[in-house]
Amino acid sequence: GAVVSQHPSWVICKSGTSVKIECRSLDFQATTMFWYRQFPKQSLMLMATSNEGSKATYEQGVEKDKFLINHASLTLSTLTVTSAHPEDSSFYICSARDIGAPLNTEAFFGQGTRLTVV
Amino acid sequence: GDSVTQMEGPVTLSEEAFLTINCTYTATGYPSLFWYVQYPGEGLQLLLKATKADDKGSNKGFEATYRKETTSFHLEKGSVQVSDSAVYFCALSSLDWGGKLIFGQGTELSVKP
Repeated sequence: GAVVSQHPSWVICKSGTSVKIECRSLDFQATTMFWYRQFPKQSLMLMATSNEGSKATYEQGVEKDKFLINHASLTLSTLTVTSAHPEDSSFYICSARDIGAPLNTEAFFGQGTRLTVV
Repeated sequence: GDSVTQMEGPVTLSEEAFLTINCTYTATGYPSLFWYVQYPGEGLQLLLKATKADDKGSNKGFEATYRKETTSFHLEKGSVQVSDSAVYFCALSSLDWGGKLIFGQGTELSVKP
């Protein structure tokens, strides 16, 4: 299957600093990438849909000024957690769908990033 | 709106036992259905999928059949192994939702030797 690489796999940062997480599709192009947040022992919560060359679409309740998403190319989307606080500590996962695939086909997931804010 | 409901976990089985994890969905139109698996500290891996009614998805001994009449996509495996211990997510993807994956709450499976 297609490979999505997420970096870093874990990061610890001080409260008030910003953290950038990268999501790359390695062997396919993706017009659309998705960013999820997962709390321990819970399901994935969709945060936003990242669209190449345009603004991301955020889900209700997600602060777009806090979680900045940039999708500058067909293989890279970034999520920046700005002015991070301990409550932002979580597991963040990205996914991507092949540019040529129908919208109702599977998406491929990165390995996730464990963010800890101290 | 579209939704997915899974049986609650955790599910604890002995090695070689039969596994069933129930999944039902509510959707307009004709969604595609998926099972993803998540091992501790990792992202999600696609386990199997079905794109239309009566399709059976299968992989690594796991199977699930798309049942439109009962709006279900139950995951089964005849003989589980310790290495199958993970969290399993049922999901659907619909054109009505612009291709977003809608997940169930996940079911944790623990297989004991």
